[in-house]
Amino acid sequence: DAGVIQSPRHEVTEMGQEVTLRCKPISGHDYLFWYRQTMMRGLELLIYFNNNVPIDDSGMPEDRFSAKMPNASFSTLKIQPSEPRDSAVYFCASSKGTLSYEQYFGPGTRLTVT
Amino acid sequence: KQEVTQIPAALSVPEGENLVLNCSFTDSAIYNLQWFRQDPGKGLTSLLLIQSSQREQTSGRLNASLDKSSGRSTLYIAASQPGDSATYLCAVRVKAAGNKLTFGGGTRVLVKP
Repeated sequence: DAGVIQSPRHEVTEMGQEVTLRCKPISGHDYLFWYRQTMMRGLELLIYFNNNVPIDDSGMPEDRFSAKMPNASFSTLKIQPSEPRDSAVYFCASSKGTLSYEQYFGPGTRLTVT
Repeated sequence: KQEVTQIPAALSVPEGENLVLNCSFTDSAIYNLQWFRQDPGKGLTSLLLIQSSQREQTSGRLNASLDKSSGRSTLYIAASQPGDSATYLCAVRVKAAGNKLTFGGGTRVLVKP
């Protein structure tokens, strides 16, 4: 299995620009998670989906952030407009249906907003 | 609100010594606890998953214990090697929070040859 795939691996953009991060979960997994990791705050859950439906978006910092999952094999996290404080590593993870299963993480996207 | 703490934040040991990594959590009503390894600039690799009904889980040189009542888990790595140098994170899945993982801050481990 290819594991969770994320793109791009690195993104450098200027403040005010739109940023789109992409994720392909492991085939057969019906949960998908978006996390953000910073030195100050560690790993934080932003949002998660079950069967392509957003279940909990309470971690999304503000309206500039949005996430979609149009089908079982693809999800996007969009930031518009981006700000320097959004600089972080963004991880996507997936897991099977029940709470007993492990979460598997992608390699992450390192975002730098200048 | 669930809080997960990992102490110490960093640890340095000589090669061959056993590693003991600690994780504590405030809400004992958990489904399970997962240990991860993170190498610099990389994603998280799942090491062990312990269900709330289990006391321990083993994989090779790794052994993780869980004491739900006291809100503690310990990851033991036997006969450490330089390749074990990484950051180790624990995360809990709380019953009241659905399928969300709450992470500790991690312990950064350096194994010196």
